[in-house]
Amino acid sequence: ETGVTQTPRHLVMGMTNKKSLKCEQHLGHNAMYWYKQSAKKPLELMFVYSLEERVENNSVPSRFSPECPNSSHLFLHLHTLQPEDSALYLCASSQEGRGDTEAFFGQGTRLTVV
Amino acid sequence: KNQVEQSPQSLIILEGKNCTLQCNYTVSPFSNLRWYKQDTGRGPVSLTIMTFSENTKSNGRYTATLDADTKQSSLHITASQLSDSASYICVVSAGVGYGGSQGNLIFGKGTKLSVKP
Repeated sequence: ETGVTQTPRHLVMGMTNKKSLKCEQHLGHNAMYWYKQSAKKPLELMFVYSLEERVENNSVPSRFSPECPNSSHLFLHLHTLQPEDSALYLCASSQEGRGDTEAFFGQGTRLTVV
Repeated sequence: KNQVEQSPQSLIILEGKNCTLQCNYTVSPFSNLRWYKQDTGRGPVSLTIMTFSENTKSNGRYTATLDADTKQSSLHITASQLSDSASYICVVSAGVGYGGSQGNLIFGKGTKLSVKP
């Protein structure tokens, strides 16, 4: 295990449902991220939280709502999603403030919107 | 436009054989280049990270090379094993940006490697 835990691992939801993805990091890092990975496309950075404050939102639709209650936990709240939102959602963490550092990824949540 | 192109898109090799994956990039400024291994349905795991001044770096049977002049990198896998079957992603960092060290990462689409017995 990499020290970044995501739950659930798999999620199937209807377009009218509300669900949440959870991420927890045990590495003592001060920054956390959400990425989206669609088939045959590069990873897309969605949100960045540094010291529990959102510092970047890459033009993500409002049906995705992140929450970072503390430096160890990150949530992605989902509502009224579209089928094209089906993808692997990856959480990552890193220790910022030491130059260009490396991120450690969780196992991902495979989301299917029906 | 910052881009990372990987080739081939997919590759099938026999167990025990060697293979080389390619990565070409047009990213500026350049901070470092990373290779990740991603097993199906799991998160990426870092293999190597190289800065501008490093030409080669090894991690067990994995050896990455970097030519900063031609903006090319390769990942060589020696004596492949079935467990090497995965996607290999090349990632170039354009340095620390507004989104921290992860805000300026340019990801390739990956090469899907299948190792057959």
